[in-house]
Amino acid sequence: DIQMTQSPSTLSASVGDRVTITCRASQSISSWLAWYQQKPGKAPKLLIYKASSLESGVPSRFSGSGSGTEFTLTISSLQPDDYATFYCQQYNSYPWTFGQGTKVEIK
Amino acid sequence: QVTLRESGPALVKSTQTLTLTCTFSGFSLSTSGMCVTWVRQPPGKALEWLALIEWDDDKYYSTSLKTRLTISKDTSKNQVVLTMTNLDPVDTATYYCARKEGYGYALDYWGQGTLVTVSS
Repeated sequence: DIQMTQSPSTLSASVGDRVTITCRASQSISSWLAWYQQKPGKAPKLLIYKASSLESGVPSRFSGSGSGTEFTLTISSLQPDDYATFYCQQYNSYPWTFGQGTKVEIK
Repeated sequence: QVTLRESGPALVKSTQTLTLTCTFSGFSLSTSGMCVTWVRQPPGKALEWLALIEWDDDKYYSTSLKTRLTISKDTSKNQVVLTMTNLDPVDTATYYCARKEGYGYALDYWGQGTLVTVSS
């Protein structure tokens, strides 16, 4: 199975900060990576697919980059609504796998 | 408008079999490239992918759970069913179904999830 490792596990940031979350795959997954945002008690919400494609309706402050084994999710200017847990997920090959999550907290 | 909704028992006992149903609308699972998947999340923990069924009835499973899982679809009813055998308290989780529209896309629509508690 492909292992997905996110860093950091927790991140404290202020409104307006630029935030970067990293996701590493244990083997190449080309660009078949998605990023999701999850708030407490809610289902995950798709932000980015195919590593850098912004899902319709998602604010442009979210962006994704990377290919192969290293990927990043960047929030250019953190907003109050962005405090949540973020997950990466590979869909290059079965079984699909998720990262362990990165919780973005208020500083 | 795409919607998915999970249904099933909220409480089950150890060793029993769990049957969850995902009822969806706004798309057809007979459309080329369409998939429905199941993901679970134990309380306070990360997402875990479980199983997926494709429009052409190809099926894929989590390596660690594949001996206990069965996924199936009823296209006429717009439903996907997940069966998990030999339940244990560690299977206590919120179970989500979600769809993938086609090649290159990710899980763009999710159900609200259903919490299943396994008692010993």
